[in-house]
Amino acid sequence: AQSVAQPEDQVNVAEGNPLTVKCTYSVSGNPYLFWYVQYPNRGLQFLLKYITGDNLVKGSYGFEAEFNKSQTSFHLKKPSALVSDSALYFCAVRDPMGTNAGKSTFGDGTTLTVKP
Amino acid sequence: DAGVTQSPTHLIKTRGQQVTLRCSPKSGHDTVSWYQQALGQGPQFIFQYYEEEERQRGNFPDRFSGHQYPNYSSELNVNALLLGDSALYLCASSFGLNTGELFFGEGSRLTVL
Repeated sequence: AQSVAQPEDQVNVAEGNPLTVKCTYSVSGNPYLFWYVQYPNRGLQFLLKYITGDNLVKGSYGFEAEFNKSQTSFHLKKPSALVSDSALYFCAVRDPMGTNAGKSTFGDGTTLTVKP
Repeated sequence: DAGVTQSPTHLIKTRGQQVTLRCSPKSGHDTVSWYQQALGQGPQFIFQYYEEEERQRGNFPDRFSGHQYPNYSSELNVNALLLGDSALYLCASSFGLNTGELFFGEGSRLTVL
C-alpha cells in the first residue's frame, strides 16, 4: 500500500523568509511524487512533480522540491515566501508499476500562512 | 483551452436520496478520476475511468458508481446518501492511465441533511 505523511498541520513563516513544507512517503516501487496547492473552496492546482532524473525539481511560482530516496522524503521549498503563497498544500504519491498504478494517494495537507 | 469543468457546484440532498455529479475533462485528456475530500482532509481516491471502463477503485462502497462516455466526460453517482457523504467531490483528468499530474476541477460541494 502507498501512503503519504505531512507531519505539520500548519506552517507559519514571515514574508521574505524561506519556507519548507515537509512530506514523507511510502511506496513499494519507484515513486512518482507531486505537490498541489488548494485555495479556499477551490480545486487543487498542480505545482511540481518528480518522475525521474534530477532530485531537485522546480515548479510554478518559484517553488521547488527535493526528492530524497534514502529518507523517502519530498519536501517543498521556496527561498522567499510571499503573502500570496498562503494556502493549503498537498503532497501526493503514485506507484506507477504497482497494483494501484494510476491511483494517487494524498496527504492530509499542510496549511501555510505567510505573514507580512 | 477549457480546463476541467464540474457540475453542479453546490447541492443539498437528504439522507437516502441519490445524486449524480458530472465532469468534463480538460481538452485532450482521456482519463477521469474522482476524489472525495472531507473537511480538513486530503482527497480520497474513489475510482478512475479510462476507455469507458472503471480501471481502479478505492475503498468506497458499491453505493458509489460511475460512468465514462465516449467523449471522455464522466459521472459520479451516489445512492442511498448518508450524512457522512457530505464532502467536496473532485474530478481530475489526465492523459493516459498513469502519466503525469492531475488537473482538477473546482469540485461539487455535496451537503446531506
